Amino acid sequence: DTGVSQDPRHKITKRGQNVTFRCDPISEHNRLYWYRQTLGQGPEFLTYFQNEAQLEKSRLLSDRFSAERPKGSFSTLEIQRTEQGDSAMYLCASSLSTSGHYNEQFFGPGTRLTVL
Amino acid sequence: QKEVEQDPGPLSVPEGAIVSLNCTYSNSAFQYFMWYRQYSRKGPELLMYTYSSGNKEDGRFTAQVDKSSKYISLFIRDSQPSDSATYLCAMSRSNDMRFGAGTRLTVKP
Repeated sequence: DTGVSQDPRHKITKRGQNVTFRCDPISEHNRLYWYRQTLGQGPEFLTYFQNEAQLEKSRLLSDRFSAERPKGSFSTLEIQRTEQGDSAMYLCASSLSTSGHYNEQFFGPGTRLTVL
Repeated sequence: QKEVEQDPGPLSVPEGAIVSLNCTYSNSAFQYFMWYRQYSRKGPELLMYTYSSGNKEDGRFTAQVDKSSKYISLFIRDSQPSDSATYLCAMSRSNDMRFGAGTRLTVKP
């Protein structure tokens, strides 16, 4: 399977704990995006990387959230001191950036986080 | 006011019906307009995208964009039970996408 993969698929944690999610994009895709989706809502943009550089962060990305893409391949999203409001599906997407053309984003299956 | 408004439904239709899904938006800077389909507990998958105003057809699916009214539509002809899913409209200026809330569609056999 050469699509976007995410690990773990499900995570249950207690309030106050730290969690880390991993995303492996489609190989050769230079852009990687993180979104958060709550029940009954569409995905909300969190941040994106062009290769290893984090180029944009949403206001939704509080100080407790940090994302990295150290070698321009896989990415991690860490949430520190989790809160119940962090419970959501965290989606990763990747695309191949080509100037002047639409860059389709391919989504992974998501990591469902439940904070008790 | 949200940048993208979409009626969450739910919408239930009989097999073979024509389905109309719509979104409105407020940001005139949006250039790309997309429709995604999302099955339960899966990531969204792209159905169609349109650049600027106009129509685009792909099999049973037709996407329309009216930038003057800030209104986009997706039509599904001859709907099938396998079309049952949540349909998300999305739009972007360049690097970030803004999604609607999604409309949950059920096509009954």
